[in-house]
Amino acid sequence: QKEVEQDPGPLSVPEGAIVSLNCTYSNSAFQYFMWYRQYSRKGPELLMYTYSSGNKEDGRFTAQVDKSSKYISLFIRDSQPSDSATYLCARNSGYALNFGKGTSLLVTP
Amino acid sequence: SQTIHQWPATLVQPVGSPLSLECTVEGTSNPNLYWYRQAAGRGLQLLFYSVGIGQISSEVPQNLSASRPQDRQFILSSKKLLLSDSGFYLCAWSGTIGNEQFFGPGTRLTVL
Repeated sequence: QKEVEQDPGPLSVPEGAIVSLNCTYSNSAFQYFMWYRQYSRKGPELLMYTYSSGNKEDGRFTAQVDKSSKYISLFIRDSQPSDSATYLCARNSGYALNFGKGTSLLVTP
Repeated sequence: SQTIHQWPATLVQPVGSPLSLECTVEGTSNPNLYWYRQAAGRGLQLLFYSVGIGQISSEVPQNLSASRPQDRQFILSSKKLLLSDSGFYLCAWSGTIGNEQFFGPGTRLTVL
């Protein structure tokens, strides 16, 4: 079983919608989670990180970790066409990060 | 602020030719450095990481190698490219190993 699982999508939503992106993880040993955004043909860009359970908010983005169900989520409020990208979740694993394969998001005007 | 550079941005090489990709980081000292390959539908595959000059750890046995001749320079090499080496190569750095990583712009390699 892969350490971090993520639905690849694609996910298509209208502009202004609330987007929910989700990942599950299998190993509870490490508890540091990250979300990256990757535009086509570009390197991933760190969006948010969180050490613990609960919510962390940054502008239109909210990261949520549920350790009991091993579930991590990223919510995007008032989605914009510029949010169209692939979103990668990651979890630390000692020296490395375990990445999901990414969810492709398209926000249509 | 810290910046990370990679070059070249795009590369087309014939099978059997050598490879050298370079990554440099500015604005930080003693970074942890990483090479990843991203193939379509396969996610990010960690190839090598380095915690210091001359210290390289390999994650995947293959015909690629890495070197770190200077503190903020990381090089990915191959003596003979295979078709399967095609992909998007990303360099990343972190301040603390296991913590968040910051990625460069990537090199798109096509082996023909």
